[in-house]
Amino acid sequence: DIQMTQSPSSLSASVGDRVTITCRAGETINNYLTWYQQQPGKAPRVLIYAASKLQSGVPSRFSGSGSGTDFTLTISSLQPEDFAMYYCQQSYTGWTFGQGTKVEV
Amino acid sequence: EVQLVESGGGSVQPGGSLRLSCEVSGFIFTTYWMHWVRQAPGKGLEWVSRVGSDESSTKYADSVTGRFTVSRDNARNTLYLEMRRLRVEDTAVYYCARDHLGGYGMDAWGQGATVAVSS
Repeated sequence: DIQMTQSPSSLSASVGDRVTITCRAGETINNYLTWYQQQPGKAPRVLIYAASKLQSGVPSRFSGSGSGTDFTLTISSLQPEDFAMYYCQQSYTGWTFGQGTKVEV
Repeated sequence: EVQLVESGGGSVQPGGSLRLSCEVSGFIFTTYWMHWVRQAPGKGLEWVSRVGSDESSTKYADSVTGRFTVSRDNARNTLYLEMRRLRVEDTAVYYCARDHLGGYGMDAWGQGATVAVSS
């Protein structure tokens, strides 16, 4: 199994901040990297797929970058509705999620 | 509108069985691979199983291999997860999810079904 390691596990931020979350794969996954947001009690929703493509309907303040083993999710200006859990997932070989990053006040 | 609706969750004793269903609408079910993903209380997401578009191909996480069976009824637009020999550690919210056509993750999710295994 390909291990996915996110950092940090949690972060504190304020509305308007620029937030960056990183995800490292245990081996190369090309661009088979998806970022999800999960609100408490809700199902995950896709933010970014193919490492850098914005899912339809997702605000443009979300962006993704990277390829190979190192990836980044950036929120350019944090909004109140962005306080949530964020997960990366590889789908290059099987499907593996990172452990999650909690973005909190 | 794409919709995935799980049902069949509940409480069961260790060693028991449950079958989850996921009825989908708003897309051509036969085009897509489908997944089950679970989330234990307070924990992260764990991929459980995948079924190909015609049910001929299935894959499972090591933690459920030999105990869980994924299937689909394309005529009924429904995905299933048969869970046997349940363990306490199988307690979780189980989500069905649609595979992205390009293989990039899962692009549609159900609301989840809760499975609680305890004595």
